[in-house]
Amino acid sequence: DAGVIQSPRHEVTEMGQEVTLRCKPISGHDYLFWYRQTMMRGLELLIYFNNNVPIDDSGMPEDRFSAKMPNASFSTLKIQPSEPRDSAVYFCASTSRTSGSIDEQFFGPGTRLTVL
Amino acid sequence: GNSVTQMEGPVTLSEEAFLTINCTYTATGYPSLFWYVQYPGEGLQLLLKATKADDKGSNKGFEATYRKETTSFHLEKGSVQVSDSAVYFCALRIQGAQKLVFGQGTRLTINP
Repeated sequence: DAGVIQSPRHEVTEMGQEVTLRCKPISGHDYLFWYRQTMMRGLELLIYFNNNVPIDDSGMPEDRFSAKMPNASFSTLKIQPSEPRDSAVYFCASTSRTSGSIDEQFFGPGTRLTVL
Repeated sequence: GNSVTQMEGPVTLSEEAFLTINCTYTATGYPSLFWYVQYPGEGLQLLLKATKADDKGSNKGFEATYRKETTSFHLEKGSVQVSDSAVYFCALRIQGAQKLVFGQGTRLTINP
């Protein structure tokens, strides 16, 4: 089975540009999480969805960040405008309340974002 | 609030050495505890977990015991291999919640 799919794997952009990161969760999973990983702050939860509905966005750093989940198989994280301090690895993860182990989150390979 | 504190890295060991990575937590109620591992260039993978006090999680030669009295979940392995080189994250999940709270991660390097 395919795992969590993220695209692009690497993104280099200039300050002020819009960036869109994409995630396809594992089929059948009803929870989707977006994380950001940096050397300074470690792994931070940005937002998570249940059945396509945002449940907790308290980790979203500011209004420049937005996330959507238009259907069960696709989510986006958008940064507009981007700034150099947004440079990080962004991970998407999914899990399911109905899976054998609701505790395990399955992570994608991440998108490495560099804002120049 | 809920938080996880891990021993600071990086940790460098020789092959076949004994490994301990310390993890302590602060949480309301009775959390589930986890160790995730991140190999270079990859996302995190669940390594092991424990859902109640005195439970021992184990996988791939790694072990961790849920110690409620010391609020700890230390990761151990008796004989590490070069392939164990990775970043290890301790995490907790509060009962009834879906969010994981991660520690800062500990980078482990094993030299041949």
